[in-house]
Amino acid sequence: GENVEQHPSTLSVQEGDSAVIKCTYSDSASNYFPWYKQELGKRPQLIIDIRSNVGEKKDQRIAVTLNKTAKHFSLHITETQPEDSAVYFCAATSIGGSYIPTFGRGTSLIVHP
Amino acid sequence: DGGITQSPKYLFRKEGQNVTLSCEQNLNHDAMYWYRQDPGQGLRLIYYSQIVNDFQKGDIAEGYSVSREKKESFPLTVTSAQKNPTAFYLCASSIDFASGNTIYFGEGSWLTVV
Repeated sequence: GENVEQHPSTLSVQEGDSAVIKCTYSDSASNYFPWYKQELGKRPQLIIDIRSNVGEKKDQRIAVTLNKTAKHFSLHITETQPEDSAVYFCAATSIGGSYIPTFGRGTSLIVHP
Repeated sequence: DGGITQSPKYLFRKEGQNVTLSCEQNLNHDAMYWYRQDPGQGLRLIYYSQIVNDFQKGDIAEGYSVSREKKESFPLTVTSAQKNPTAFYLCASSIDFASGNTIYFGEGSWLTVV
């Protein structure tokens, strides 16, 4: 089945800096890659996603890039703000498998004012 | 107000007891899921259901049971066979069971064994 590795597990940045979280996946048949943000004690919420026919997608301060050859995708947050502090999860869904997304272990992002 | 409602938010279980976590959605979604979240472990799939009266085991189904008698409801029972049930449980749903459909999560239920 699919295996998703997410790095780093913890990321600490100063307000205004950029943050990058990277995920690698194992199944070349995966074609959908969502990113979720989870604030402490709350539900994970989708913040951005990308499909395998696209290399990059942006939404204001966040962007996701996908490298299908290397089988990795990354979340980029620019001009970070304290309210960006949360745990971020990546996921990959394989069309060759059960359609269930496989999640990474999460990255705890801390933005210092 | 559409969404996924989980109850209770907090639950305490004594050793040897079964407890049931409720999950109701009014999004008219066919697919529903239960995940368990432990610190540093990400989201692990317990059970999923593609359609009413059908459900499948996920990666960590031992000690859990589910039912899907109605489209909008997918309750999870944590049985006494689950030796380490203390965790945050998340119910989720998606329009249907196909790649590329966004999964939406409920607010979660905290279960603690006392």
